[in-house]
Amino acid sequence: RKEVEQDPGPFNVPEGATVAFNCTYSNSASQSFFWYRQDCRKEPKLLMSVYSSGNEDGRFTAQLNRASQYISLLIRDSKLSDSATYLCVVKGRAGGTSYGKLTFGQGTILTVHP
Amino acid sequence: EAQVTQNPRYLITVTGKKLTVTCSQNMNHEYMSWYRQDPGLGLRQIYYSMNVEVTDKGDVPEGYKVSRKEKRNFPLILESPSPNQTSLYFCASSRLTNGWSYNEQFFGPGTRLTVL
Repeated sequence: RKEVEQDPGPFNVPEGATVAFNCTYSNSASQSFFWYRQDCRKEPKLLMSVYSSGNEDGRFTAQLNRASQYISLLIRDSKLSDSATYLCVVKGRAGGTSYGKLTFGQGTILTVHP
Repeated sequence: EAQVTQNPRYLITVTGKKLTVTCSQNMNHEYMSWYRQDPGLGLRQIYYSMNVEVTDKGDVPEGYKVSRKEKRNFPLILESPSPNQTSLYFCASSRLTNGWSYNEQFFGPGTRLTVL
């Protein structure tokens, strides 16, 4: 089983739609979680961190469920510019054996069409 | 401008010819890391460094070497490249002084390597 798993999609949605991505992780000692966005083989860029209490940034909402070991990303009112690959990222726990390690999911492709 | 730079951006080489991909950051970050990205596999961590002279293996270190003699530079060395190392490589850095948990990783633009 992969350490971090995402549905690769692709997700094809119309403008204005709401779309949700999930990501599961296998290492219960993982410390922190993120969603990164990657455009067409360019470098990944941080979209948002995922906090235990859940967090929202404009049209984007991230949730963490430690008991079930998954994180989610919800995008409301999709824009054409949201078309990209969304990467789930898990950081190892500080001071633990995986301190310094980052594990990426394989990415979920989103295409928003007019 | 705060950035991570990589050179070269594109490289075509032949099996067995040693090569080095350079990575440099101007943000005084303690942490640096190398990843490779392959279709269907996502980004996989090759090596990382928590500070000068401190390096550790990631998930796919075989066939690669790194060094961290200076804080700003973290070169990736392929002593004897093979075709299965054809990939897109990213270098990244982040701060550690304010903690590890939620510090953002800043990525370089990537190096596309083809080994024939």
